[in-house]
Amino acid sequence: DAGVTQSPTHLIKTRGQQVTLRCSPKSGHDTVSWYQQALGQGPQFIFQYYEEEERQRGNFPDRFSGHQFPNYSSELNVNALLLGDSALYLCASSPVGTGVEETQYFGPGTRLLVL
Amino acid sequence: AQSVTQLGSHVSVSEGALVLLRCNYSSSVPPYLFWYVQYPNQGLQLLLKYTTGATLVKGINGFEAEFKKSETSFHLTKPSAHMSDAAEYFCAVRRNTGGFKTIFGAGTRLFVKA
Repeated sequence: DAGVTQSPTHLIKTRGQQVTLRCSPKSGHDTVSWYQQALGQGPQFIFQYYEEEERQRGNFPDRFSGHQFPNYSSELNVNALLLGDSALYLCASSPVGTGVEETQYFGPGTRLLVL
Repeated sequence: AQSVTQLGSHVSVSEGALVLLRCNYSSSVPPYLFWYVQYPNQGLQLLLKYTTGATLVKGINGFEAEFKKSETSFHLTKPSAHMSDAAEYFCAVRRNTGGFKTIFGAGTRLFVKA
């Protein structure tokens, strides 16, 4: 059983560009959350998708947007990249739509460097 | 609002010694509490979680944590450190009222000396 997978593993962009990161949830999971982990810091919640809709959002600007597909996979899009967007982007999936006791399973992350 | 404070960005112990990583939280509603471990260039792995019930929670790799509501703490312990325990540890809190928005602490890096 494959766990949470993310692509690409590494990415280099320049300021002002746009980037799309992808996540495939663990089999049987229908909820996907995205986190940003800056160097030396803990992950920060960006947003959560369930039933192809954004259900919760953290304190991130509108430059950060997402999408969930019918097969539960998800994309994170960041427009007008800033140097401060350089970070490890983590995707986490969960087995139940809003089951608060459920565990999130994290992928290995995509490391984004903005030059 | 919820927040997590991890005391000590770095902790160093000798192999075989007690591991104690401290975590204090604030939450306006009863929290769910988690400890995650992150090895270099990897994602997060759940060590243990507290949702309801018994306040002493046992996790993987011999770790355990105790939820102390009066102290708003959820410290992580392991009786005997192993070299393979060297990693970054994150304490996290989540509301028990819906959704998966999880607030993480800044992390504690554990060093294990031979």
